[in-house]
Amino acid sequence: GAVVSQHPSWVICKSGTSVKIECRSLDFQATTMFWYRQFPKQSLMLMATSNEGSKATYEQGVEKDKFLINHASLTLSTLTVTSAHPEDSSFYICSARDPLAGYNEQFFGPGTRLTVL
Amino acid sequence: DAKTTQPPSMDCAEGRAANLPCNHSTISGNEYVYWYRQIHSQGPQYIIHGLKNNETNEMASLIITEDRKSSTLILPHATLRDTAVYYCIVNSGGSNYKLTFGKGTLLTVNP
Repeated sequence: GAVVSQHPSWVICKSGTSVKIECRSLDFQATTMFWYRQFPKQSLMLMATSNEGSKATYEQGVEKDKFLINHASLTLSTLTVTSAHPEDSSFYICSARDPLAGYNEQFFGPGTRLTVL
Repeated sequence: DAKTTQPPSMDCAEGRAANLPCNHSTISGNEYVYWYRQIHSQGPQYIIHGLKNNETNEMASLIITEDRKSSTLILPHATLRDTAVYYCIVNSGGSNYKLTFGKGTLLTVNP
């Protein structure tokens, strides 16, 4: 299957700093990517839908000014957690949909574990 | 998208078949049933999907009841590496590609 990578795989930062997470589709072009957040022992929660060349669509309750999403190319979407605080510590996962697939199979990245001190 | 209900946990002996049930009684005609799994601290992995016919691939089989209100994911010969949380998701695709993850079933394969 298709491969989606994330970078970094883990990051530790101080409170108040900003952290950028990259999501790349390695062998296909993804017009749509998704960003999820997962707290310990909980399920994945969709944060936003990232569309290439246009603004992201955020789920209810997700602050768009805090979680900046940029999808500048067909293979790269970035999530920037601005002014991170300890409560933003979580496992962030992206997924990408191959538009050539006839169904909604999404390919997930390995995740990025963010720890804010 | 229709809501799904899964048991929170299941156990299976290594080498035996694992049968994971999912209830989706409010599924509509154009909605597919997708199964993903998530091994601890990794991103989810697509397993299989179906509309109304039973499906089989190299990973698993999907059995969908005739009324489509429930389905069963079958791992024919479970291994220790199949220990994961399994998510059953109903989605219509089309213009709505958002996947809504429920709590899933934690399958533990025991030696």
